[in-house]
Amino acid sequence: GESVGLHLPTLSVQEGDNSIINCAYSNSASDYFIWYKQESGKGPQFIIDIRSNMDKRQGQRVTVLLNKTVKHLSLQIAATQPGDSAVYFCAENSGGGADGLTFGKGTHLIIQP
Amino acid sequence: DTGVSQDPRHKITKRGQNVTFRCDPISEHNRLYWYRQTLGQGPEFLTYFQNEAQLEKSRLLSDRFSAERPKGSFSTLEIQRTEQGDSAMYLCASSFGQGDGNTIYFGEGSWLTVV
Repeated sequence: GESVGLHLPTLSVQEGDNSIINCAYSNSASDYFIWYKQESGKGPQFIIDIRSNMDKRQGQRVTVLLNKTVKHLSLQIAATQPGDSAVYFCAENSGGGADGLTFGKGTHLIIQP
Repeated sequence: DTGVSQDPRHKITKRGQNVTFRCDPISEHNRLYWYRQTLGQGPEFLTYFQNEAQLEKSRLLSDRFSAERPKGSFSTLEIQRTEQGDSAMYLCASSFGQGDGNTIYFGEGSWLTVV
């Protein structure tokens, strides 16, 4: 069925550089998207969300971009720090039917010193 | 800590035994969700409650799985006659109102190992 996916399973960046994590979704009915960070052995931690009537939203050191034309979502992390090392998931809520989230497989962000 | 709380955090059980997990959501949240996550995969939706009513169940939730939220507060997820394929992390989450636009917060998960 339709699901959210990610382009890269692993992304390695230098400490201090900006990180960009990408996500492609296929359900055009999705109207709400969320990025979660998951550290080893822990539950997903909410980072930032965006509704389909927006194309950009900024938080503290993070920015989410939504391109509905190509069904693409990205998470930008500025000045990446060692504590940013984790698996990042994008998730979508298509609204109709299931009220739960559909998650992609995740991108493991590795920070090089 | 006023976040979503799950218990036990880890459970090792023999195949065929029953296990039960408990979830205490954030106190003012009326929606409670259960997800399952296996190694290297994203969480998969199992079921959710609005108050005490179970409103949706995924086809992943076989007959051996049952979830309850009797008073609209804490919830339990029971797995009967466990199988090795049930080994996973079971995540509970909660939100206030609908998931769409209302942040869903996750607990730390309950790890199940079936031997």
